[in-house]
Amino acid sequence: QVELQESGPGLVKPSETLSLTCSVSGVSVSSTSYYWGWIRQPPGKGLEWIGSIKYGGNAYYNSSLNSRVTISLDTPKNEFSLKLSSVTASDTAVYYCARHVIYYGMGVWGQGTTATVSS
Amino acid sequence: DIQMTQSPSTLSASVGDRVSITCRASQSISSWLAWYQQKPGQAPNLLIYKASSLESGVPSRFSGSESGTEFTLTISSLEPDDLATYYCQQYNTFPWTFGQGTRVEIK
Repeated sequence: QVELQESGPGLVKPSETLSLTCSVSGVSVSSTSYYWGWIRQPPGKGLEWIGSIKYGGNAYYNSSLNSRVTISLDTPKNEFSLKLSSVTASDTAVYYCARHVIYYGMGVWGQGTTATVSS
Repeated sequence: DIQMTQSPSTLSASVGDRVSITCRASQSISSWLAWYQQKPGQAPNLLIYKASSLESGVPSRFSGSESGTEFTLTISSLEPDDLATYYCQQYNTFPWTFGQGTRVEIK
């Protein structure tokens, strides 16, 4: 059974970097059959794709966040991470990690973690 | 970037009604479209992939169809458990993009 679990600080100060980790169990992040991605949802708003990465491939990012976001894989720990720099209040959201099976959809999601940007 | 336009933004229907949600892509995405259901306070759940393929474990009252760049999610007979917001998402081209969502309410 594949499970994803997000973790990270719930509170980040403006202008600092938000760092989140998604721990994966039941499957290896080294598999080339999947993309591993981050999606966020500001309070009361819709879903926003942040970016995705595949083992041995490039990472792809939302055009509006491209200059501030980095997604990377940690294969020994079987996890992947999100770093979002220079955060502002508009980055306050629930952040989800998810697995996308190539040619299919995002069939496995974490429960989500709330990140609040405030001084 | 490919824009995904969903309609309506809100839909109110009675139990047993047939309901449809439309998603239009700003350019061709072949059939690389997924539909998700998000219930209040929960993570999204994949319903349909590749425009019309039903994800394992999803009730058969959900179906997807396509016509060019227009995609439709249909619930054949609405149930109380279908109270949720529904999103389309294209995965034909990076950056992937979501529609703005359709909230389904039960009358």
